[in-house]
Amino acid sequence: GQQVMQIPQYQHVQEGEDFTTYCNSSTTLSNIQWYKQRPGGHPVFLIQLVKSGEVKKQKRLTFQFGEAKKNSSLHITATQTTDVGTYFCAGHMDSNYQLIWGAGTKLIIKP
Amino acid sequence: DAGVTQSPTHLIKTRGQHVTLRCSPISGHKSVSWYQQVLGQGPQFIFQYYEKEERGRGNFPDRFSARQFPNYSSELNVNALLLGDSALYLCASSLVPDRNQPQHFGDGTRLSIL
Repeated sequence: GQQVMQIPQYQHVQEGEDFTTYCNSSTTLSNIQWYKQRPGGHPVFLIQLVKSGEVKKQKRLTFQFGEAKKNSSLHITATQTTDVGTYFCAGHMDSNYQLIWGAGTKLIIKP
Repeated sequence: DAGVTQSPTHLIKTRGQHVTLRCSPISGHKSVSWYQQVLGQGPQFIFQYYEKEERGRGNFPDRFSARQFPNYSSELNVNALLLGDSALYLCASSLVPDRNQPQHFGDGTRLSIL
């Protein structure tokens, strides 16, 4: 079936190090959305990418959408404790109204 | 303005029972979607409603049903509960059911089946 694979499942970083999560779809996506879920919280919308090869930035966060619209990445520069949480990608297939979610990457800051 | 509100926040049921979960969207939002999130996984789409009509259904059994009311609030019903139905049930609203609309989530209802 239609799937969005997201890796890694977890990433442990020291505060100040960078963090990256990757999403890959088995089929072409019409868009990709990124959400952040804090522990015990609900997903919060971060950004949406629609165009092939699109890159968007929000302060220390950089989002990319692949040329083939099948993959996407989120990169956080110089992580801070406030970045802790699980980051999800979610996308729509061209032929489908459903938002298909990745399994998420949990960002953990080492003490 | 209030965000998406869901009730109850927590619920404990036993196998075979039924449950009704409720959701009020952000004021002005006409589309409501329901998701199931099992611990450690991403949300799984269950239903989308718009103007009281079902616009989409995910890969869930017929034990799951939903409806939307004229004030755009929504209920999710699950019959004949199974242990595997234990999860966080999230409601999300958007202005309209457009793919490019972000989903605004409530805090969810945590359902535990004993």
